[in-house]
Amino acid sequence: EIVMTQSPATLSVSPGERATLSCRANQSVSSNLAWYQQEPGQAPRLLIYDASTRATGIPARFSGSGSGTEFTLSISSLQSEDFKVYYCQQYNTWPLTFGGGSRVEI
Amino acid sequence: QMQLQESGPGLVKPSETLTLTCSVSGFSITSGYYWGWIRQSPGKGLEWIGSIFHSGRTYYNASLKSRVSISVDTSKNHFSLNLTSVTAADTASYYCARHNIRRWFDPWGQGTPVTVSS
Repeated sequence: EIVMTQSPATLSVSPGERATLSCRANQSVSSNLAWYQQEPGQAPRLLIYDASTRATGIPARFSGSGSGTEFTLSISSLQSEDFKVYYCQQYNTWPLTFGGGSRVEI
Repeated sequence: QMQLQESGPGLVKPSETLTLTCSVSGFSITSGYYWGWIRQSPGKGLEWIGSIFHSGRTYYNASLKSRVSISVDTSKNHFSLNLTSVTAADTASYYCARHNIRRWFDPWGQGTPVTVSS
């Protein structure tokens, strides 16, 4: 199975700053990568699919990039509601696999 | 507005079978999408369990395949997860979600916590 590794595990930033999260696959997943946001105790919410396409209703401050094995999720100016956990998921190959998550904290 | 809602027992004894149901509202389960189960152990990340198409075609994570079955009931617009021989390692929040043929998940149900304990 494809192993997804996210870094950092925790990112400490201030509101208004930029956050950059990394997701790495142990083999190429082309652009078949999604990002999700999760608040503790809540279901994940789709942010990005196809590595860089924002899902419906997702603010423009969220952007995704990358292909192959290296991917990045950027949040250009952190709002208070953005301090949550972010997961990447590859859907290039069964089984579908997720990264371990990155927590963005104040 | 489309919604998914998981239901099932919050507590299951070791070695028993866990059965969860995901009820879909506001959208027909036969409308060309896939329906999946994902779980999240306490403090851990997300693990895909398996998916089903309305025709009954299933896809399972090999790590659980010997214990998992997913079924769909189109008349009730819901699909179900059976996980046999559960152990404490199966304690998790279980989510159902929709995905298309491209296989990203959207939307998700709110999740249901399941504890395996005697």
